Amino acid sequence: DTAVSQTPKYLVTQMGNDKSIKCEQNLGHDTMYWYKQDSKKFLKIMFSYNNKELIINETVPNRFSPKSPDKAHLNLHINSLELGDSAVYFCASSQGWREGYNEQFFGPGTRLTVL
Amino acid sequence: GQNIDQPTEMTATEGAIVQINCTYQTSGFNGLFWYQQHAGEAPTFLSYNVLDGLEEKGRFSSFLSRSKGYSYLLLKELQMKDSASYLCAVRDSNYQLIWGAGTKLIIKP
Repeated sequence: DTAVSQTPKYLVTQMGNDKSIKCEQNLGHDTMYWYKQDSKKFLKIMFSYNNKELIINETVPNRFSPKSPDKAHLNLHINSLELGDSAVYFCASSQGWREGYNEQFFGPGTRLTVL
Repeated sequence: GQNIDQPTEMTATEGAIVQINCTYQTSGFNGLFWYQQHAGEAPTFLSYNVLDGLEEKGRFSSFLSRSKGYSYLLLKELQMKDSASYLCAVRDSNYQLIWGAGTKLIIKP
């Protein structure tokens, strides 16, 4: 039943480690997103893919690398984790990304804590 | 730069009506969204406006004035479960969603 799922839900790790977060949607949507929500609750877009093609690539450190093996999956790999990477990361999907509703459906979030 | 302004926090009483305002300055406009986010949960879609006027959906309504760069979300017959953050987001000329920081709504009995 789950529309957009992310794993893991919680991730606690040491500075300098490399980690991945996985995201899958079963809605048949063409577009997927990664957001970072910091302690001030501000949602910041990081990446967006449409049919496996990168369409939004915001100014994020190149330690963050998205991978979309197919249009139902968008994974996020983070190298050399830093304290400032601690946040909640949300995956989302939408039918399309241009005109019209294209409301975004969000996954439950991954709370990343870097020690 | 692009900017979305919302009040940080509002308090209202159960059963009452509350209006949450959002003003925006973006490069182009292709629609405005309101999302609800309960503490510790993901945002969920509430409403979408692309033309001026009021969109009503049950207890929730959203209004848009493109000439004024202004929207509001109106919540009627407030319930305790409406305690949440309400996020305003505008889709710009590049079809990218620009998000406000959200308004935390506290409902008191």
